[in-house]
Amino acid sequence: DVKVTQSSRYLVKRTGEKVFLECVQDMDHENMFWYRQDPGLGLRLIYFSYDVKMKEKGDIPEGYSVSREKKERFSLILESASTNQTSMYLCASSFGPDTQYFGPGTRLTVL
Amino acid sequence: GQNIDQPTEMTATEGAIVQINCTYQTSGFNGLFWYQQHAGEAPTFLSYNVLDGLEEKGRFSSFLSRSKGYSYLLLKELQMKDSASYLCAVYKAAGNKLTFGGGTRVLVKP
Repeated sequence: DVKVTQSSRYLVKRTGEKVFLECVQDMDHENMFWYRQDPGLGLRLIYFSYDVKMKEKGDIPEGYSVSREKKERFSLILESASTNQTSMYLCASSFGPDTQYFGPGTRLTVL
Repeated sequence: GQNIDQPTEMTATEGAIVQINCTYQTSGFNGLFWYQQHAGEAPTFLSYNVLDGLEEKGRFSSFLSRSKGYSYLLLKELQMKDSASYLCAVYKAAGNKLTFGGGTRVLVKP
């Protein structure tokens, strides 16, 4: 059974803190993605990765960075969290050009 | 750039049919996905259309017209559990990326 897990369902951080969101998939998928989801704006792609140590900017990469040291793990980093980064963050993975499988999401609140 | 439009919200009665439209204008197109997302949960895959025409999968069907930049998701024999958001997404092979519309929230009433 396909499984994508995220480290936290809910997270509260303060402005200026460094935040790590972790995503792990157990399907040996090559591709992994980070999105944020905001009301009325849908899912917007932040970063994605085709392979270990490779990363590509999505549509809204500003204020974020990523790390992929192992195939199964893709981390999203907020170097200095700001209130406009309060959002739902969704991780997904896929095998080649195929269906993306999503994790349960992390609802991040930045105070 | 890409522009993907779908209605914000729709309401329907249990047992009825609802059609969710999605129009898109993109610089590249290789297929169109529909996902279902219940409140507080992850999106789950419903359908993927590459060629023009209707794909039927039980109570759900999805239609694509590439020349018109248009797709719809048809939900038949609506059940209360179908209350959810439905996300339309354009797939672009160059870059292996999905671009999502804003989602349509469907409320099924008894």
